[in-house]
Amino acid sequence: QQQVKQSPQSLIVQKGGISIINCAYENTAFDYFPWYQQFPGKGPALLIAIRPDVSEKKEGRFTISFNKSAKQFSLHIMDSQPGDSATYFCAASRGNTGFQKLVFGTGTRLLVSP
Amino acid sequence: KAGVTQTPRYLIKTRGQQVTLSCSPISGHRSVSWYQQTPGQGLQFLFEYFSETQRNKGNFPGRFSGRQFSNSRSEMNVSTLELGDSALYLCASSLDGQGVTEAFFGQGTRLTVV
Repeated sequence: QQQVKQSPQSLIVQKGGISIINCAYENTAFDYFPWYQQFPGKGPALLIAIRPDVSEKKEGRFTISFNKSAKQFSLHIMDSQPGDSATYFCAASRGNTGFQKLVFGTGTRLLVSP
Repeated sequence: KAGVTQTPRYLIKTRGQQVTLSCSPISGHRSVSWYQQTPGQGLQFLFEYFSETQRNKGNFPGRFSGRQFSNSRSEMNVSTLELGDSALYLCASSLDGQGVTEAFFGQGTRLTVV
């Protein structure tokens, strides 16, 4: 119930292509879904987040698509660049618990080839 | 605005020793949560503090403990270190600790137990 399943584990995309990472969750109480980007030796950096009252959110080249009925959400990176090569984590949390706790997916290692 | 600061960045300890890690949240943020990141288990929630009170704890043994001070700075302590405690320990701060607020991570403390 607390798991967030993420796929694929790794992804190679050519420069200029679209990178797509998918996540699925079981707990319908989750109501906040952030994506984090992590470079080697660094902490995760918040990239973009969505709440279930919208089906899509776009910030620059990054878009989250959210399907509440399927309990799935995905990250699309348009015009992927070598600088986007990093590990991406989806996460989920509940807003009515009175505390902050993120449940993370297992991560996707993205390599954008020049 | 300064980000989340974790000290030290790297630590090497011997089995059986104890260690204390420190986290200074973003100014004005009152919630501090801690996560352990390992290649095998990914990012796992340790505990969360808000206004000097632990509000939630993950599934870790009692050797892992923490506290928060009146200025919101937090420390975590691991006693009787085991080889399996080698990990990147990450601290995240958020404004009011409710599940739908953004959480920002520090760069982490890399702990190696030998």
